[in-house]
Amino acid sequence: DAGITQSPRHKVTETGTPVTLRCHQTENHRYMYWYRQDPGHGLRLIHYSYGVKDTDKGEVSDGYSVSRSKTEDFLLTLESATSSQTSVYFCAISPGGSTDTQYFGPGTRLTVL
Amino acid sequence: TQLLEQSPQFLSIQEGENLTVYCNSSSVFSSLQWYRQEPGEGPVLLVTVVTGGEVKKLKRLTFQFGDARKDSSLHITAAQPGDTGLYLCAGARNTGNQFYFGTGTSLTVIP
Repeated sequence: DAGITQSPRHKVTETGTPVTLRCHQTENHRYMYWYRQDPGHGLRLIHYSYGVKDTDKGEVSDGYSVSRSKTEDFLLTLESATSSQTSVYFCAISPGGSTDTQYFGPGTRLTVL
Repeated sequence: TQLLEQSPQFLSIQEGENLTVYCNSSSVFSSLQWYRQEPGEGPVLLVTVVTGGEVKKLKRLTFQFGDARKDSSLHITAAQPGDTGLYLCAGARNTGNQFYFGTGTSLTVIP
């Protein structure tokens, strides 16, 4: 299995509070992705990174920010959590390129009350 | 509106039956991947197809990429309970390294 972990695995928070999710990899892959998964929508890309300090927006980036100061860590921050951001968040890593495998982490279940 | 639509959304069949899952779009993709996800886990890659018309087989699973690279299908022969899971297609466009996932097909194979 690819060395990819997410923390925390579960979190309950209140509306309006900031939340940071962490993705850590030991594979030295260039690309890292944050997705959210909701029933009926499959996975939707929030942000992705193609190198240290190099990030770009995905389909559903509003209300989210990311940072990547080291190759191995990719942080997702919900600046002011809302109930619509209740979801399961997955991090993925990839060596790069549109034909490469994405390896997914175990997911973080976030509930915003 | 999602770029990739999958059908059916839910499928419940008896062990031994055959099934086909469809992944459709009006956009062209440079490659298309199929993933399988079990409850509480992240998706795991099954196959990548890159050429229009390409067919790949993985044991009882057959994957096809449409000639125009806008659609794909997954066919399972003689389904088994171990095939139960959420099947997701994901396409990459010619520009950038974003993957667009389909809406998912939840398959249940009843023993």
